[in-house]
Amino acid sequence: AQRVTQPEKLLSVFKGAPVELKCNYSYSGSPELFWYVQYSRQRLQLLLRHISRESIKGFTADLNKGETSFHLKKPFAQEEDSAMYYCALSGPVTGGGNKLTFGTGTQLKVEL
Amino acid sequence: NAGVTQTPKFRVLKTGQSMTLLCAQDMNHEYMYWYRQDPGMGLRLIHYSVGEGTTAKGEVPDGYNVSRLKKQNFLLGLESAAPSQTSVYFCASTLAGGPYNEQFFGPGTRLTVL
Repeated sequence: AQRVTQPEKLLSVFKGAPVELKCNYSYSGSPELFWYVQYSRQRLQLLLRHISRESIKGFTADLNKGETSFHLKKPFAQEEDSAMYYCALSGPVTGGGNKLTFGTGTQLKVEL
Repeated sequence: NAGVTQTPKFRVLKTGQSMTLLCAQDMNHEYMYWYRQDPGMGLRLIHYSVGEGTTAKGEVPDGYNVSRLKKQNFLLGLESAAPSQTSVYFCASTLAGGPYNEQFFGPGTRLTVL
């Protein structure tokens, strides 16, 4: 079974401070991980994916297989980063294809 | 392109009533998904479809049925609504079933069952 754990429901930081949103996973295969973000009154959208090894809006995430983690980091938080962040793990489903298993989400609040 | 759209945006039902939520996508995606989002529980997969005419159960399928008669549409039905089905429902689609593919989400339907 695959599982994603986001231990923090709410993370509050000041503008300009570093941000780290924690994500741990449980999966027997080779994990493919994502971070999705939901800004206020907007739909859920992809922020970044492990396979791309990209930096989006200043955010990065490194897969640590030893610690089974995929924490999301940003060196300097901006007010516009305030949103709900979901970590997600891709896994196979019956009939072919893949599904996403989501964590419970972390609400990031950036204060001025 | 409209992307993924959902109808309706809001709905209030009484216990025992039925309703259908419609999801439509104009991206020619093969795979479609229905999730529910509840506070403190994240998004949980209800049902999914790997192509036109096919459907399968997700993590929390009880009390829901789905149909995918056309590739662009994925319908979620509640035959006899219960208060436990009060939630925000999201539809998503993806081009193919590979592990790296982005899922595109609809704006959500907020359902309240009294």
